[in-house]
Amino acid sequence: DIHMTQSPSSLSASVGDRVTITCRASQSISNYLNWYQQKPGKAPKLLVYAASSLQSGVPSRFRGGGSGTDFTLTISSLQPEDFATYFCQQSSSSPFTFGQGTKLE
Amino acid sequence: QVQLVQSGAEVKKPGSSVRVACTSSGGTLRNIPINWLRQAPGQGPEWMGGIVPLFSSTNYAQKFQGRVTFSADESTNTAYMELRSLRSEDTAVYFCARPFGMDAFDVWGQGTLVTVSS
Repeated sequence: DIHMTQSPSSLSASVGDRVTITCRASQSISNYLNWYQQKPGKAPKLLVYAASSLQSGVPSRFRGGGSGTDFTLTISSLQPEDFATYFCQQSSSSPFTFGQGTKLE
Repeated sequence: QVQLVQSGAEVKKPGSSVRVACTSSGGTLRNIPINWLRQAPGQGPEWMGGIVPLFSSTNYAQKFQGRVTFSADESTNTAYMELRSLRSEDTAVYFCARPFGMDAFDVWGQGTLVTVSS
């Protein structure tokens, strides 16, 4: 199985800050990398797919990047509604696996 | 617009089985591949596998092979996930989700909490 490692596991930030979350795959996954946002008691919400494509309706302050084994999710200017937990997911090979999450607080 | 609505929370004894339902509204289930994932408290989601009702084909993660069954009833637009031989480690929120493109999950059910406890 491909192991996904996110860092940091938690991140303290303020409204207006620029933050970057990283995700590393245990082997190359090309651009088969997706990012989700999850709020307590809710299902994950797709933000970015194929490493850098913004899902419809997602604000442009979210940006994904990277390829191969190293990926980033950047939020250019934090808004109050962005405080949540973020997960990466590889869809290169089955079983699809997720990172352990980054809690933005 | 497709929405996925799941059945309610369940409490089960160790060794028993649970069946979770996922009903599609706004789209025919026949044309929607449905994947199942679960999320234990404080952890990332875990992919269990999926079903393509159109072809009656299933794909199970090896971890769950032999213990889980996916099925679909096109007449009611409902997909099902049955997990057997439950143990405490199966306590989690179970989600159905629709994959698109490069297997990103863009539509999710609201989740079903399954608690396994004696």
